[in-house]
Amino acid sequence: QLQLQESGPGLVKPSETLSLTCTVSDGSISSNNYYWGWIRQPPGKGLEWIGSFYYSGSTYYNPSLKSRVTISADTSKNQFSLKLSSVTAADTAVYYCARDRLRFCSTTACYPENWFDPWGQGILVTVSS
Amino acid sequence: QSVLTQPPSASGAPGQRVTISCSGSSSNIGSNFVYWYQQLPGTAPKLLIYTNNQRPSGVPDRFSGSKSGTSASLAISGLRSEDEADYYCAAWDDSLSGVLFGGGTKLIVL
Repeated sequence: QLQLQESGPGLVKPSETLSLTCTVSDGSISSNNYYWGWIRQPPGKGLEWIGSFYYSGSTYYNPSLKSRVTISADTSKNQFSLKLSSVTAADTAVYYCARDRLRFCSTTACYPENWFDPWGQGILVTVSS
Repeated sequence: QSVLTQPPSASGAPGQRVTISCSGSSSNIGSNFVYWYQQLPGTAPKLLIYTNNQRPSGVPDRFSGSKSGTSASLAISGLRSEDEADYYCAAWDDSLSGVLFGGGTKLIVL
């Protein structure tokens, strides 16, 4: 069954760029039917959607993070990545990757559903000097 | 601050029925599907309810979802100790072109 695994540094300095990778096994990120998403959870707080990526390149980002976020994919490795620039302590969180579903495609765009299943186990990233 | 509003906590005794509400607006719950996620302590969230009221394979029928207008609810009947977890609603928001999560509800089984 499909599995996702986050990887990357657990400690990032303020003002630097957080970079994480999600490796997908037993499933292809190039599938027509799915988006792939990142969600984070600050310690003791709720879930926050970061963004979702479709293999064709269509990407949606949380407006509050959009200026600092890039989600991309390496289909040869069946991985997708998150980059978050200019981090501060407020970006300290457990970061999850998850598979999302394609809702539909119009003539001009494709849209995700926010049907996140399954999820990776999560990786704690601390922003500190 | 979440645009989807959930009560911070809910509680019930074993065997009882509890409901968790999720209030939104016309741009999210009012025009899109609602999803519910269960997060057991120390674990990743898990999909509990999809497209308002459908259960994934393996989710007991004690869990049910409903939606009316701009609000949604998760009901848990026959409460069990292992149901103690955080529950989150989620919906797409057409105005934001993005996903909203509710603030989460901590369910305590007395």
